[in-house]
Amino acid sequence: GNSVTQMEGPVTLSEEAFLTINCTYTATGYPSLFWYVQYPGEGLQLLLKATKADDKGSNKGFEATYRKETTSFHLEKGSVQVSDSAVYFCALVTSGGANNLFFGTGTRLTVIP
Amino acid sequence: KAGVTQTPRYLIKTRGQQVTLSCSPISGHRSVSWYQQTPGQGLQFLFEYFSETQRNKGNFPGRFSGRQFSNSRSEMNVSTLELGDSALYLCASSWTGTANTEAFFGQGTRLTVV
Repeated sequence: GNSVTQMEGPVTLSEEAFLTINCTYTATGYPSLFWYVQYPGEGLQLLLKATKADDKGSNKGFEATYRKETTSFHLEKGSVQVSDSAVYFCALVTSGGANNLFFGTGTRLTVIP
Repeated sequence: KAGVTQTPRYLIKTRGQQVTLSCSPISGHRSVSWYQQTPGQGLQFLFEYFSETQRNKGNFPGRFSGRQFSNSRSEMNVSTLELGDSALYLCASSWTGTANTEAFFGQGTRLTVV
């Protein structure tokens, strides 16, 4: 079956620290992989995506590389800001459709000044 | 361009009642999906509609149902509400619903069952 295992939170970092949130997956076939972000009181926003092995998704200083050999899609950012405080979700979709997403449990990130 | 609109934003219902939630997708989007978000279970897929047909369904009891209208607007219905149905219900729309198209989420409807 399809599943996503995500690093447990919460994570608290100082501003300008390096961020890594681990994500591994199990999937049938060849999934597309996503990172979504949820700010307080908001819905989900797509942060970045990768649709095939070795693809690197990037946006707003965040990056993640689709590693098929380790079935991983770890999220990284070199220097976090207070405004990055949010909950981050790793997700995958198989060929069933873009909206049949399987999500990880989410990781709450708090960045302190 | 307006985003995905969900109404109402907040809802309080009594156990045993039924509820209907509404989702208006981005103009031109034909695929609408629903998700349930709870602290214990996280985000779980309920079902997806494309051109008025249910195309995918998650592992939820038959009390959860939905439909999509010709203008792509979608409604979700939950009958015989249980306390465990308290959750944030998120709707997402996309152009075609294929794996490479982005899903845009609404802000959700927070349902509280008392």
